Amino acid sequence: DADVTQTPRNRITKTGKRIMLECSQTKGHDRMYWYRQDPGLGLRLIYYSFDVKDINKGEISDGYSVSRQAQAKFSLSLESAIPNQTALYFCATQGGAANTGELFFGEGSRLTVL
Amino acid sequence: GEDVEQSLFLSVREGDSSVINCTYTDSSSTYLYWYKQEPGAGLQLLTYIFSNMDMKQDQRLTVLLNKKDKHLSLRIADTQTGDSAIYFCADLVNTDKLIFGTGTRLQVFP
Repeated sequence: DADVTQTPRNRITKTGKRIMLECSQTKGHDRMYWYRQDPGLGLRLIYYSFDVKDINKGEISDGYSVSRQAQAKFSLSLESAIPNQTALYFCATQGGAANTGELFFGEGSRLTVL
Repeated sequence: GEDVEQSLFLSVREGDSSVINCTYTDSSSTYLYWYKQEPGAGLQLLTYIFSNMDMKQDQRLTVLLNKKDKHLSLRIADTQTGDSAIYFCADLVNTDKLIFGTGTRLQVFP
């Protein structure tokens, strides 16, 4: 089983709909991240969390919100989806005793907003 | 803010060496990373280098770091078709977040 699991893996929705992407991890890491990937733009950080209830904005947080209610879960919400939020979204964790900053990624959630 | 830049594409012949380059702007980097993304998958760490090192070798991979010029490179020796992927350079900023480059798509042809 994957250490970092994202659901759904694929989602097509319409403009204005509320969408939630969920991430759960079994690595026991405190730090969790949400990135989006767009062709030619690489990965951009949306939000990150260092502990339960801790929330920090990344470089592109507008239009998104997150919730960290438990150590193992970090969810990303789009309150009112718009077409330019069509992208591949990745959740990642970071931590462990030998913390070299390495991120462990989920397999991604592809979101299409029509 | 911090920035990481890479060229978007690289095409090499099977058996040749590939060199993927990256530049960054952060002056306080502690670790720099190379991640690999295969089609339909998430990113996986290939290798990393601590900022007080100039070079790190790991089997077919050689990482070179020039801190003065803020330049990082990844050399893949004897490139194989299975090396075809997107390679991301990343910089650990303020010990808490990774800033990624745009990714370099490596295509290996026979």
